[in-house]
Amino acid sequence: DVKVTQSSRYLVKRTGEKVFLECVQDMDHENMFWYRQDPGLGLRLIYFSYDVKMKEKGDIPEGYSVSREKKERFSLILESASTNQTSMYLCASSFVDARTFYGYTFGSGTRLTVV
Amino acid sequence: AQSVTQLGSHVSVSEGALVLLRCNYSSSVPPYLFWYVQYPNQGLQLLLKYTSAATLVKGINGFEAEFKKSETSFHLTKPSAHMSDAAEYFCAVSGGNNNDMRFGAGTRLTVKP
Repeated sequence: DVKVTQSSRYLVKRTGEKVFLECVQDMDHENMFWYRQDPGLGLRLIYFSYDVKMKEKGDIPEGYSVSREKKERFSLILESASTNQTSMYLCASSFVDARTFYGYTFGSGTRLTVV
Repeated sequence: AQSVTQLGSHVSVSEGALVLLRCNYSSSVPPYLFWYVQYPNQGLQLLLKYTSAATLVKGINGFEAEFKKSETSFHLTKPSAHMSDAAEYFCAVSGGNNNDMRFGAGTRLTVKP
């Protein structure tokens, strides 16, 4: 069964800490995404990557950065965590197919609390 | 550009009753449409997808959705609700580019015994 694995289900961090959220996929997908999910706002795209060492800003990149050194791994970095970054973070991946689009495969999510 | 609107942030039905979750989309190109389900503290799981084949799409757990171009809708239905259907449901639209998926705000389904 194909998988997107997020390393932590729950995290509690202090304001000002540097936080790393890790995501690994075993499907050889080219594209990977980081979303945050907040009640009433649905999913909002933070960053995505369509290849190793490539990254593109999504709708809400402020306060975040990403790293993709290997195809299977996409890391989200909170340079200096703040309380307004308390949220559920979802990683997803997809692959390129000239014939159709299959959608995204999601990880189980990381619920981050910044205190 | 694509966008999606889910009508109703909360829907409550009785066990055994019809489930209807509404989704309307906007897309400048022929759309790909998806429904995802999210159980508490979990990620999103694909229920079903429309990719320009049959307009009536059947998914997992007895759900189905019908693509209606004239109404720009992709409503999700299930004839008989089960307690295990209680979850949050997200509609999503894409133009087929791998980075243009847009999600609705979600509809929380409650199933009463």
